[in-house]
Parts: sequence; C-alpha cells; structure tokens
Amino acid sequence: DQQVKQNSPSLSVQEGRISILNCDYTNSMFDYFLWYKKYPAEGPTFLISISSIKDKNEDGRFTVFLNKSAKHLSLHIVPSQPGDSAVYFCAASRTLNEKLTFGTGTRLTIIP
Amino acid sequence: KAGVTQTPRYLIKTRGQQVTLSCSPISGHRSVSWYQQTPGQGLQFLFEYFSETQRNKGNFPGRFSGRQFSNSRSEMNVSTLELGDSAVYLCASSPRIGTSAYEQYFGPGTRLTVT
Repeated sequence: DQQVKQNSPSLSVQEGRISILNCDYTNSMFDYFLWYKKYPAEGPTFLISISSIKDKNEDGRFTVFLNKSAKHLSLHIVPSQPGDSAVYFCAASRTLNEKLTFGTGTRLTIIP
Repeated sequence: KAGVTQTPRYLIKTRGQQVTLSCSPISGHRSVSWYQQTPGQGLQFLFEYFSETQRNKGNFPGRFSGRQFSNSRSEMNVSTLELGDSAVYLCASSPRIGTSAYEQYFGPGTRLTVT
C-alpha cells in the first residue's frame, strides 16, 4: 500500500521557468512532510519541509505548499536551473519520532 | 563535519549467501535508519536504531536485520540472499533533537547485486 504517491515519474521544464512537483498521500495522520533531492550515485539530500500547521513554506527558490483537505503537497522551484535536474522524493511521517514514508520519486530534467 | 559514510559502495553476491553492510553516521548523530531503494518502489524503510535500540521497523522479512554499536555506527545484514534483494541500500543519520529531528542525512548508498 503506497501511502505517499508521486504519480509523475518524470518532468521536463525549460530553464528559467517554474517546476512544479506533486505528491499525494493517503494517511490523514501524517503531520510532517519533506522533500529530498537525489543526484545519481549520491544519497538524497534534504531540501525543504513543512508541518501540517502551515500551508506554505519558502526557502529561496523552493516553496512547498500543503493542502491538507486534498492530502496533496507540491514543490515549486522558481526559476528552474540546470543544477536542479535530479530525482525528487517527497516523504511524510506522523510524528517527529516515527519513520519516514517516501514516494517513488519524480525525475526532473531542466532543459537549457 | 564529515558526512554519512557507507561501506562497501558496490557488492556482488550470489543467491543464498549473506551480506553485511556498514554505516558510519555524522558525528553526534544517534539515530541511524536504513532504506532499500529500487526503481519501482522508491525508498522503502527497513529499520531505525537509536542509542543501540531498534526503534522502528519496516515490512521486511526477518532475513533483514541490523544493529547499532555504542559509537552509533550501524551494520545491516541480509541472510539467504534472493535475486529480489538487488537494490541500493541507503543509510541515513539524524540528530533526533527538536524540530529538525526528522531531517535525515543520507550516505551515498551501497549497490548490492545478487546473481
């Protein structure tokens, strides 16, 4: 049972445009959501997070939006840069001390 | 600070054999989690250790086991290897303190191929 879903396995975006990566979850008990970025042959690196008490969190070019009623979160990257080409994983957990449940990832390709 | 290190980086084993993977967390981190990454399944949680105790466990058979030492280093063992165990095994460490507790720092992974 995939509790965190990333339905788009891949996404291509022109350099300078906005990249929007989506993530849906089924477990209404999830309270913490994170995005990780992964380059080939490297481990995922933490990008940005949001807790359920917020609906938006910004960090530079990266913004995460959370819609709890729709059980949906999205990651916006503006403007997109070639170095943003990577696989992006969303993850969720119920509490600070519980395991993270990851989605299957979306491969983002930024076209110069 | 040095990052999370994993050894070996690549490994080829035969069905039926066993394998032990090692992970050294970031200095001061007391939580170590293990994940299996496969193309179709993404990252699947195996288990988490904190202060030498297993705190969380995923839905993997008993052939997958782990342990953590007093210096927070962790090992993962897979016995009676099957072809389906071929994957990248990722280790992540976390300080487990405060609101950044769930921000895990990943190592580069060990790519295990079972033939």
